[in-house]
Amino acid sequence: DVKVTQSSRYLVKRTGEKVFLECVQDMDHENMFWYRQDPGLGLRLIYFSYDVKMKEKGDIPEGYSVSREKKERFSLILESASTNQTSMYLCASSPISIMNTEAFFGQGTRLTVV
Amino acid sequence: ELKVEQNPLFLSMQEGKNYTIYCNYSTTSDRLYWYRQDPGKSLESLFVLLSNGAVKQEGRLMASLDTKARLSTLHITAAVHDLSATYFCAACTSGTYKYIFGTGTRLKVLA
Repeated sequence: DVKVTQSSRYLVKRTGEKVFLECVQDMDHENMFWYRQDPGLGLRLIYFSYDVKMKEKGDIPEGYSVSREKKERFSLILESASTNQTSMYLCASSPISIMNTEAFFGQGTRLTVV
Repeated sequence: ELKVEQNPLFLSMQEGKNYTIYCNYSTTSDRLYWYRQDPGKSLESLFVLLSNGAVKQEGRLMASLDTKARLSTLHITAAVHDLSATYFCAACTSGTYKYIFGTGTRLKVLA
């Protein structure tokens, strides 16, 4: 089974702190993604990466950055956390495949910024 | 820019009834996905639809894709309580791996 593991289920951080969310996948997938999920807004793409050291902005990149130094690991960084970044964050991975298979998701990190 | 819309946002239905969730997308997409999310849990893949006219079924759920209408449907037959969850559709712009999700449909099946 594909496994996507996020480092924390719950996090509480203070406004202005630098926050790191870590994600690791064990299936050698090329693509990795960070989404945030908010009630009534569904999942919104923050950043994605299709290879080591490669990244592309999603629909809501402001206030976030990412790092992919190894194929299996994709980190989301909140440079200076703000209360409007309180949300559920979901990491996902997918292969580059002729059959275009689906993305597999981690268990989510619920971040609260106080 | 690809946008994905789902309706309805909320659906409360009686056990044993049938209903359909609709997923519209705004630009050409060659792949359509359906996911299920239980409260407090992550997303679980249900169906992958790769071509016009594709139909897939699993138990009481059936998904279809009409690429000309840019429409996918998730049909629920004879609903049971265990189907209560939030259902998401997602599409990818042709030639990319950028998954864009709809807002989700929160389904509640009443006994």
